Amino acid sequence: DQQVKQNSPSLSVQEGRISILNCDYTNSMFDYFLWYKKYPAEGPTFLISISSIKDKNEDGRFTVFLNKSAKHLSLHIVPSQPGDSAVYFCAASPDRGSTLGRLYFGRGTQLTVWP
Amino acid sequence: DAGVTQSPTHLIKTRGQQVTLRCSPISGHKSVSWYQQVLGQGPQFIFQYYEKEERGRGNFPDRFSARQFPNYSSELNVNALLLGDSALYLCASSPLGAEAFFGQGTRLTVV
Repeated sequence: DQQVKQNSPSLSVQEGRISILNCDYTNSMFDYFLWYKKYPAEGPTFLISISSIKDKNEDGRFTVFLNKSAKHLSLHIVPSQPGDSAVYFCAASPDRGSTLGRLYFGRGTQLTVWP
Repeated sequence: DAGVTQSPTHLIKTRGQQVTLRCSPISGHKSVSWYQQVLGQGPQFIFQYYEKEERGRGNFPDRFSARQFPNYSSELNVNALLLGDSALYLCASSPLGAEAFFGQGTRLTVV
């Protein structure tokens, strides 16, 4: 039972263009959402997060949008760079107020940015 | 600053054997979580420990156990290994109420 879904296993974007990675969730109890980036042979690296009380959070080239009514979030990377090529995981937590010990992850989207 | 460190990085075990994986959290982080990542899937939650107490357990059989030590390091034990236990095991640490930081993982292969 996948509560966090990333329906696009891969995305290919030209350098300098926008990358949009999508994520859907089913559990209305989720109140905190995160994006992680993972390179081969490394652990996931935290990228950006958003609380359910917000609909947008921006950090440099990365922006996360949250649509609670649609249970959908997206990560925008502008401009995309070849170094952004990695697997991106969407994750959700039902209780940020205590600890983020339990995260629910999607299957990931492989982003490839070509020159 | 040292990040989350895990040992060993790679491990090969035979079916039926037992394995212990180790994790040292970032200094000051009291919460440690364990995840299993099977090829082609996202990480799946196994355990979370805070202040040496189990705070959460995922949908894994009793063959999986863990503990946290007074210095907040942690061990994950898996008994009676099955082929399906082959995966990347990730440890994450976090200060209370903040994002989790992952180690590089231990690649376990069961043959």
